[in-house]
Amino acid sequence: GENVEQHPSTLSVQEGDSAVIKCTYSDSASNYFPWYKQELGKRPQLIIDIRSNVGEKKDQRIAVTLNKTAKHFSLHITETQPEDSAVYFCATYRNTGNQFYFGTGTSLTVIP
Amino acid sequence: NAGVTQTPKFQVLKTGQSMTLQCAQDMNHEYMSWYRQDPGMGLRLIHYSVGAGITDQGEVPNGYNVSRSTTEDFPLRLLSAAPSQTSVYFCASSYSFGNSGNTIYFGEGSWLTVV
Repeated sequence: GENVEQHPSTLSVQEGDSAVIKCTYSDSASNYFPWYKQELGKRPQLIIDIRSNVGEKKDQRIAVTLNKTAKHFSLHITETQPEDSAVYFCATYRNTGNQFYFGTGTSLTVIP
Repeated sequence: NAGVTQTPKFQVLKTGQSMTLQCAQDMNHEYMSWYRQDPGMGLRLIHYSVGAGITDQGEVPNGYNVSRSTTEDFPLRLLSAAPSQTSVYFCASSYSFGNSGNTIYFGEGSWLTVV
C-alpha cells in the first residue's frame, strides 16, 4: 500500500513569516493530493488540493506544489497569522483504490 | 444541511463492553468511512462503504464492525472494547469515489476512552 511521510512534525514560525510542510509518497499511481487543517478539538477540513496533472495551485496565502517525479508535494503558507495555528495533514489518493492515505500531521504554531 | 453527524461526542467504556458509534449524513453521499486518530499516527481508515449494502475493510479493521443498510447511516460497532481502542473516531463522507478530487467531509469526532 501507499506510504505517506510528512515533515516536520512540529513547526513554529513568527507571525508574518512563511511556513512549508512537505510530504513524500511511495505509490506512483497516486493522482490526487489534498491538504487538511485541523484546529484543536475540531474536525479536519479541506484547505487546498492538487491533481497530478498540475504542478502548482494557489489560493490566497496558501499554495501547494507537486513534484510527481520525486513523489513529493508541499504546502506553503505565506504571511502567517495566529489563526493559522493548527495541525495540518497531507493525503494521497489514486483512482484504482478506495481510500485516502494520510500523513502523520504537522503541528504549526504561529507566534504573535 | 446538517452535513455529517456523529454521536456520541464523548464516551467512556469498560474493557469488554460493546457500543455503537452512530454516523449520519444528509448530503446523499455514496461514500462513507470511519477513521481513528491517534497521536503521531494521523488518520487511519477502519472501514468504508461505497454504497448501501457494500462495506469493506480499511487499514485497521480488527475489533470493529460496520453495516450500511441505508445511504444516510453508517454505524461503527465495537464488539468487545479494549484499551487499545481508546482514540478519537471520525466519520467521513463524500459524494462519490473513483473520481479524484471529491472532497471528504468529516463529522465532529467521537472521543472514546476504554478503561
